Amino acid sequence: DAKTTQPTSMDCAEGRAANLPCNHSTISGNEYVYWYRQIHSQGPQYIIHGLKNNETNEMASLIITEDRKSSTLILPHATLRDTAVYYCIVRSNAGKSTFGDGTTLTVKP
Amino acid sequence: GAVVSQHPSWVICKSGTSVKIECRSLDFQATTMFWYRQFPKQSLMLMATSNEGSKATYEQGVEKDKFLINHASLTLSTLTVTSAHPEDSSFYICSAREDGARSSYEQYFGPGTRLTVT
Repeated sequence: DAKTTQPTSMDCAEGRAANLPCNHSTISGNEYVYWYRQIHSQGPQYIIHGLKNNETNEMASLIITEDRKSSTLILPHATLRDTAVYYCIVRSNAGKSTFGDGTTLTVKP
Repeated sequence: GAVVSQHPSWVICKSGTSVKIECRSLDFQATTMFWYRQFPKQSLMLMATSNEGSKATYEQGVEKDKFLINHASLTLSTLTVTSAHPEDSSFYICSAREDGARSSYEQYFGPGTRLTVT
């Protein structure tokens, strides 16, 4: 499964959009981009995933570049409860989820 | 949404004893489950892939005789930490891959089990 690169940390003002980037330049054609987040001492929570089209759900939007080498997770109106470590993972259907270091997002009042 | 539970949520044991952690998929079947370990301020590290009806596949560097995995049914996998030592103290997390429901084969994570070995 391809590796991903994310910034170590980011800050965001409460109520503003949080844009979390992820690079996955070695992604293969059959690999999906998944985003999870982990709040302290809890299991990872699924946020969203996509293959090549942009996706939106009640939690977030996922923008995948045309060449699929990078993506951005967008939390449209960040709240204090969105403070967490966000993980971008690339894997195939039958693949294992390999976690990198993720991005620690801190939402500030 | 699909729910994965773990039991116990936390456990304290003495050095040299064995501890069993259960992972259950509550409302879906999971032929494949995964076990992770997470140390403080670190990311999740995949330990092994658990397959129903067959032997688990361990990641490099993970001792299979120390971390025994049994996937007895399509909804239950267990991880037994044998002869636990203080360095085994960690947060253990399982995830279950839902069988064939959608093309992207969702993986759902449990809430984790905090193991402290004294």
